[in-house]
Amino acid sequence: DAKTTQPPSMDCAEGRAANLPCNHSTISGNEYVYWYRQIHSQGPQYIIHGLKNNETNEMASLIITEDRKSSTLILPHATLRDTAVYYCIVSRTTDSWGKLQFGAGTQVVVTP
Amino acid sequence: ETGVTQTPRHLVMGMTNKKSLKCEQHLGHNAMYWYKQSAKKPLELMFVYNFKEQTENNSVPSRFSPECPNSSHLFLHLHTLQPEDSALYLCASSPKGQAGNSYEQYFGPGTRLTVT
Repeated sequence: DAKTTQPPSMDCAEGRAANLPCNHSTISGNEYVYWYRQIHSQGPQYIIHGLKNNETNEMASLIITEDRKSSTLILPHATLRDTAVYYCIVSRTTDSWGKLQFGAGTQVVVTP
Repeated sequence: ETGVTQTPRHLVMGMTNKKSLKCEQHLGHNAMYWYKQSAKKPLELMFVYNFKEQTENNSVPSRFSPECPNSSHLFLHLHTLQPEDSALYLCASSPKGQAGNSYEQYFGPGTRLTVT
């Protein structure tokens, strides 16, 4: 599975949009981009995933560049409860039973 | 609340003890996973079960023994652990293919294990 690169930390003001970047320049055609987050001492929480089209759900939006080498997770109106470590993962799903390789992620701190 | 429950939430055990961690999902998922998260380290995949069959063992020491009696339940049996095995143990389940080819995973709250 392709490797991802994320900034180690980001600060965001409450009520503003948080834009979390992720580079995955070696992504292959059958790999999805997944985003999860982990609030301190809890299990990770699935946020969103996509293959090549932009996706939106009740939690966030995922913007994938046309060449698929990078993506951005957008939290439209950050709240204090969005403080967490955010993980960007690419995973080939056809033969690996959805194996996810977690990296260090981005520590996002939302401040009042 | 993700629909994945884990018990116990906290466990302290000695190196000679035998204990088991339990995971249960009520989501109708086909795949279940065990992960380990040590302090200051990323999550590490330990085992994958699909339709009760083990499909992945990520070079886990034999003192960790998984069991999957049915698609809804997953156990991790522990014996003669070492202090460095102290960690947060997380269970996850996935619909695997029930929504296209995506495999989003839903995690339980974890069991905080301390080996003394």
